[in-house]
Amino acid sequence: NFMLTQPHSVSESPGKTVTISCTGSSGSIASNYVQWYQQRPGSAPTTVIYEDNQRPSGVPDRFSGSIDSSSNSASLTISGLKTEDEADYYCQSYDSSRRVFGGGTKLTVL
Amino acid sequence: QVQLVQSGSELKKPGASVKVSCKASGYTFTSYAMNWVRQAPGQGLEWMGWINTNTGNPTYAQGFTGRFVFSLDTSVSTAYLQISSLKAEDTAVYYCARDQHSSGWSPIDYWGQGTLVTVSS
Repeated sequence: NFMLTQPHSVSESPGKTVTISCTGSSGSIASNYVQWYQQRPGSAPTTVIYEDNQRPSGVPDRFSGSIDSSSNSASLTISGLKTEDEADYYCQSYDSSRRVFGGGTKLTVL
Repeated sequence: QVQLVQSGSELKKPGASVKVSCKASGYTFTSYAMNWVRQAPGQGLEWMGWINTNTGNPTYAQGFTGRFVFSLDTSVSTAYLQISSLKAEDTAVYYCARDQHSSGWSPIDYWGQGTLVTVSS
């Protein structure tokens, strides 16, 4: 079964840039769109990136997404980190006829 | 504005059933597919499946067949998740989540606030 693997946690200081990876277990991650969802503690998820690199309205341009076919990975990059970015981040893509989520990455901004 | 408002928390005994509702507003309900996503305590997101809000046809992910039923009442723009024969391991927050399009395979753009279902004797 296709899986998406994310680092369990990352941490960085305010103002810095952090990148969260999402690696596909098989096939080509570039074959299907990747989405990224942010979930702050105690809240429902929200969409921060869709279709690999598109930002919904209202999401600051500090958030960006990309695909690296050579490593079969997608990445979420957050620049100019703010304490409010501290949250869990989930990547999501597709396999056959199902939607697949990564295990999530806890971002700590300290 | 688009809103998905879910029903409140539920406490159920093992073997009972529960029905979670997700009332949509701010858009044409039947034009966008609806997904259901489970999050067990301290765990990640797990896709349960989706329902075509135009035809009512549900698609269930592996592991969510049999005891889980997606349904609609389009007259009140509401999607439902019913779980029967509840087990302790069904304890989780359940989210409804709207697709960007009607197909069920596009990005999720809006999420409900979540409904906590606790199964305990």
